[in-house]
Amino acid sequence: GQSLEQPSEVTAVEGAIVQINCTYQTSGFYGLSWYQQHDGGAPTFLSYNGLDGLEETGRFSSFLSRSDSYGYLLLQELQMKDSASYFCAALTGGGNKLTFGTGTQLKVEL
Amino acid sequence: NAGVMQNPRHLVRRRGQEARLRCSPMKGHSHVYWYRQLPEEGLKFMVYLQKENIIDESGMPKERFSAEFPKEGPSILRIQQVVRGDSAAYFCASSLIPEVTDTQYFGPGTRLTVL
Repeated sequence: GQSLEQPSEVTAVEGAIVQINCTYQTSGFYGLSWYQQHDGGAPTFLSYNGLDGLEETGRFSSFLSRSDSYGYLLLQELQMKDSASYFCAALTGGGNKLTFGTGTQLKVEL
Repeated sequence: NAGVMQNPRHLVRRRGQEARLRCSPMKGHSHVYWYRQLPEEGLKFMVYLQKENIIDESGMPKERFSAEFPKEGPSILRIQQVVRGDSAAYFCASSLIPEVTDTQYFGPGTRLTVL
């Protein structure tokens, strides 16, 4: 079956850097996306890796290693508003289906 | 530049009633996806539709659930004879062309509560 594993919870202080890991076991893998979700609201797209390596978008970066079936999301200069759930999601099924990970609850403290 | 729109935002039904959830994709998007999220869990894929076609319904329960995306109007997710286990948040997403783009944009969701 398809599965993506993430830590359930991460806590960090404001201004710090945090890395959220994602390991996956999927078939028909196209790439790895990351989404942010505040309090059950609409998931917001953050980043996508179709190829191995690092993608940088402002304070957020995402990395993918296909050989290791592993990726991570890196958040820099943490702000209180970054407190949310973060989901990795594998794009599969011909590029039209997202399989979501278990989600990581990030708590940013002062 | 309206995003993905869903209505109603909250829906309460009694067991045995029908629930209809609507989704209007972003302007210019012709691909729609439905996901379900139970409390404290990730989103689970249900169905992928294009205009007048169901492309992939591998995540849809075999009974009581159906989806459509007519030529005109919003996509509809229909749940017949709802049960308490159907209580969840239902999210719709849309994309431009899956083979070209990698981004699905999500709507605010419909929170279904079955009493």
